Amino acid sequence: GAVVSQHPSWVICKSGTSVKIECRSLDFQATTMFWYRQFPKQSLMLMATSNEGSKATYEQGVEKDKFLINHASLTLSTLTVTSAHPEDSSFYICSARDRDRGYEKLFFGSGTQLSVL
Amino acid sequence: DAKTTQPPSMDCAEGRAANLPCNHSTISGNEYVYWYRQIHSQGPQYIIHGLKNNETNEMASLIITEDRKSSTLILPHATLRDTAVYYCIVRTQNAGNMLTFGGGTRLMVKP
Repeated sequence: GAVVSQHPSWVICKSGTSVKIECRSLDFQATTMFWYRQFPKQSLMLMATSNEGSKATYEQGVEKDKFLINHASLTLSTLTVTSAHPEDSSFYICSARDRDRGYEKLFFGSGTQLSVL
Repeated sequence: DAKTTQPPSMDCAEGRAANLPCNHSTISGNEYVYWYRQIHSQGPQYIIHGLKNNETNEMASLIITEDRKSSTLILPHATLRDTAVYYCIVRTQNAGNMLTFGGGTRLMVKP
């Protein structure tokens, strides 16, 4: 199946710093990528939809100036958590759709555990 | 997308079949039933999906009732590595359509 690589798998940072998370589709081209957030023992919550070459669409309640998404190529999307605070500590997961497979399946990265001290 | 209802948790003995139910009584005609699972601290993994007919692949079988209001995911011979949260999701296959996750079923496979 298609492979989505997410990096880093975990990161610890100080409050006020920014953290960048990368999501790459390794063997397919992804016109659309989705970013999810998951708090402990909760389900995945969609944060934003990222389309290659255009601005991301954010879900209600998600601050676009805090969670910067860039999808500059068909194989790479990045999520930057700016001025991170302890309440931003969470598990962040990206998902990508294989352009050539249409809209049938979504493939997920392995996730990034962010801990803000 | 239609909502789904799943039991919050289930146990299964290793080597036995695990049958995970899902209710989606408000599913519409163009919505598919998808199953994903999430092993602890990992991203979700695609298992199987279907529209009307029963489906089988190397991981599992999907049984959809004739009225499509419910379905069952079957893991024929559960192993300890199948311990995970299983999500049943209904969605259309439209261009911008993401996956919306509910609570899922936490399956515990026991020796």
